[in-house]
Amino acid sequence: DIQMTQSPSSLSASVGDRVTITCRASQGITNSLAWYQQKPGKAPKLLLYAASRLESGVPSRFSGSASGTDYTLTISSLQPEDFATYYCQQYYSTPLYTFGQGTKLEIK
Amino acid sequence: QLQLQESGPGLVKPSETLSLTCTVSGDSLSSSTYYWGWIRQPPGKGLEWIGSISYSGNTYYDPSLKSRVTISVDTSKNQFSLKLTSVTAADTAVYYCARRGDRGFGEFPLDYWGQGTLVTVSS
Repeated sequence: DIQMTQSPSSLSASVGDRVTITCRASQGITNSLAWYQQKPGKAPKLLLYAASRLESGVPSRFSGSASGTDYTLTISSLQPEDFATYYCQQYYSTPLYTFGQGTKLEIK
Repeated sequence: QLQLQESGPGLVKPSETLSLTCTVSGDSLSSSTYYWGWIRQPPGKGLEWIGSISYSGNTYYDPSLKSRVTISVDTSKNQFSLKLTSVTAADTAVYYCARRGDRGFGEFPLDYWGQGTLVTVSS
């Protein structure tokens, strides 16, 4: 089974800050990775797939990158609506999936 | 616009079977090559993938739940369903249905989600 280790589990930041969230896969997943944003009481929303491809309608301040088995989500300039929980997910083993543990992004 | 909607009992007794249905509108399951899945989220915790099914009925389950889970599809009703047997309090969660999208070149993120439904296991 492929494990996804996401860090940090929580993060405090201010509007305008640049933040990064990291996910490490237990084996190579050839960039078959998605990032989701979840707000309280809502379903997750797809932000990026293929590690770095922005889903249609997602603001360009969101970006993703990959280095080996490490994947990073970057928000270049935090906006008030970005405070949420973020999850990574591998779909290399599709239709079997694994999610990271989540990162709660809070206002400092 | 594709929409998914979960339905089913919000309260299930311990040791009984949890049954949920996801109704899909805006796309036909029988003509689709997509996979359709179930994900759950215990209160205050992260997302847990449960399993997926293809339009033709091929199923894939998380190994930790495989002995208790059945996912089925009813193309005549444009629905797919989840059954989880022998439930305990640990199965209390918001249950989501979702579509495995196809962005080409082997890219299959979950692109459409239902709003989720809370199922509580309690006597």
